[in-house]
Amino acid sequence: AQTVTQSQPEMSVQEAETVTLSCTYDTSENNYYLFWYKQPPSRQMILVIRQEAYKQQNATENRFSVNFQKAAKSFSLKISDSQLGDTAMYFCAFMNRPEGMDSNYQLIWGAGTKLIIKP
Amino acid sequence: DAGVTQSPTHLIKTRGQQVTLRCSPKSGHDTVSWYQQALGQGPQFIFQYYEEEERQRGNFPDRFSGHQFPNYSSELNVNALLLGDSALYLCASSLRPQALMNTEAFFGQGTRLTVV
Repeated sequence: AQTVTQSQPEMSVQEAETVTLSCTYDTSENNYYLFWYKQPPSRQMILVIRQEAYKQQNATENRFSVNFQKAAKSFSLKISDSQLGDTAMYFCAFMNRPEGMDSNYQLIWGAGTKLIIKP
Repeated sequence: DAGVTQSPTHLIKTRGQQVTLRCSPKSGHDTVSWYQQALGQGPQFIFQYYEEEERQRGNFPDRFSGHQFPNYSSELNVNALLLGDSALYLCASSLRPQALMNTEAFFGQGTRLTVV
């Protein structure tokens, strides 16, 4: 069974600093997707960034980038120039790359990291 | 576009009662997935509905059931509530199940269920 582990329950940094959130996963599959979601106090999950395992290039979205190490099964999120609005729970999630309509399209989630950006 | 809407936002029920949670997907989306998020934990997949049928199911007992209507909205029903059912219930919508692989999945703000 696939599992996702986030070993940092809480992190705190000053505004404008760079912070890295860790995520490791376990799977025997070769093709899959990895995600980072943000859950602010409003509770709505918001997709931050997505990585396809068969792509070697690390995904980037503005201030957000990932360090994807497939052999080590590691998928960390780096937030540059952190802003107060980045304060939220961050979840790492995994999904197998399905092959058809009967495939498994469920997301498997880590326990989350609470990120606090201090002014 | 209102996005994904869930109702109610908060709910308090007594052990043994039954509850129904509702989800309206984003306009144009036809697939609804339900997740249970206990306090301090990541979400756990309950089930997914597409074309008014349950397509996939997570490791949840039969007390958890659902339905999808022709307008793609969905309900999650939980019977014989237990204290352990207290959680945030999230609904996610997408255009077909496979869209969950990409950026086309949207989440609602959830229903906070408290069982006392």
